[in-house]
Amino acid sequence: EAGVAQSPRYKIIEKRQSVAFWCNPISGHATLYWYQQILGQGPKLLIQFQNNGVVDDSQLPKDRFSAERLKGVDSTLKIQPAKLEDSAVYLCASSPIRLAGDRTYEQYFGPGTRLTVT
Amino acid sequence: GENVEQHPSTLSVQEGDSAVIKCTYSDSASNYFPWYKQELGKGPQLIIDIRSNVGEKKDQRIAVTLNKTAKHFSLHITETQPEDSAVYFCAASGSSGSARQLTFGSGTQLTVLP
Repeated sequence: EAGVAQSPRYKIIEKRQSVAFWCNPISGHATLYWYQQILGQGPKLLIQFQNNGVVDDSQLPKDRFSAERLKGVDSTLKIQPAKLEDSAVYLCASSPIRLAGDRTYEQYFGPGTRLTVT
Repeated sequence: GENVEQHPSTLSVQEGDSAVIKCTYSDSASNYFPWYKQELGKGPQLIIDIRSNVGEKKDQRIAVTLNKTAKHFSLHITETQPEDSAVYFCAASGSSGSARQLTFGSGTQLTVLP
């Protein structure tokens, strides 16, 4: 079974530029997450999708970050304009079953995209 | 929301010794506690998890224990090997609005010395 795919793996941009990251989850996984991992810290959830709908985006800085999951499969995360503090690894994860009630299911992560903003 | 604290931040052990990493959580409604291993340049890899209806779970050299009363859980690695060297993260599923989310600890850098 193929894992979560992400591209690009690395990206260097100047502040105020825009950037986009792509994620392809494990086949059949309904739930998709984007996390931000700053160096030396644990992943922090940015947005969670269930199929093509947003379940939670309360921690997404909506003035500069946006994300979509068209057709309930692939997803893109965009930053526009980027700031220095956006330098981090952006991780995509997927989960094999819909979150329902009190059940939480395993999340599988992709390799991440390392973003450097100069 | 959920808060997860993880200790120690760094841990060095001799090959063959055991390693223990501890986490505490704040949300008593949390019911799922996974552990992830992250190697340099890679995404976190799920290595073991435990649900709130179980006190202990083992998988070969790895075990996790959960104390719901005290709201803490631990990862135990026995007979450590150099390839166990990595950053380990604990996480807990708290509730946020309509969806359960994972909140991660700050990580433990484990070094296994040959």
